[in-house]
Amino acid sequence: GAVVSQHPSWVICKSGTSVKIECRSLDFQATTMFWYRQFPKQSLMLMATSNEGSKATYEQGVEKDKFLINHASLTLSTLTVTSAHPEDSSFYICSASGLGINTEAFFGQGTRLTVV
Amino acid sequence: SQQGEEDPQALSIQEGENATMNCSYKTSINNLQWYRQNSGRGLVHLILIRSNEREKHSGRLRVTLDTSKKSSSLLITASRAADTASYFCATRAGGTSYGKLTFGQGTILTVHP
Repeated sequence: GAVVSQHPSWVICKSGTSVKIECRSLDFQATTMFWYRQFPKQSLMLMATSNEGSKATYEQGVEKDKFLINHASLTLSTLTVTSAHPEDSSFYICSASGLGINTEAFFGQGTRLTVV
Repeated sequence: SQQGEEDPQALSIQEGENATMNCSYKTSINNLQWYRQNSGRGLVHLILIRSNEREKHSGRLRVTLDTSKKSSSLLITASRAADTASYFCATRAGGTSYGKLTFGQGTILTVHP
């Protein structure tokens, strides 16, 4: 299957700083990528849809000024958590799909963000 | 929003036993997918079943889909300790392209050796 690489796998940052998470599709072009957030022992909550060359589409309740998404190329999407606070601590996962509606999604390894 | 509900939320079995997890959803779908997640890791795709399919097999996995009841089940036969993980169903709505998935709450499976 296709490979999606997410970096870093974990990061600890101080309150008020910004953190950038990268999501790369290594062997295919992804015009659309997705960013999810997952709290411990809970399911994945879609945060936003990242569209190459255009603005991201955010789910209701997700602050777009806090979670900046950039999808400047067909293989890279980034999520920047700005002015991070302890409540932003979570597991963030990106995904991309192949073309066609009946295709699976490929997930990155996830990033564990801890804000202290 | 999460539309899928899964039961049980947690399942604990012995190696060799079968594990059955159920998933329900609310809206019409194009397909339903099952994923596995090891603790603190990304998701791994297990199986996809289309809305016009009723049953699908892959190795020790068997998935059923009942669109009239808006439900699906995942059966893992002859479980192994390595099957210990969280399992999620995810649906893709009809007409939606590019991979947007809605996830169920998940089932935490523990297989004791």
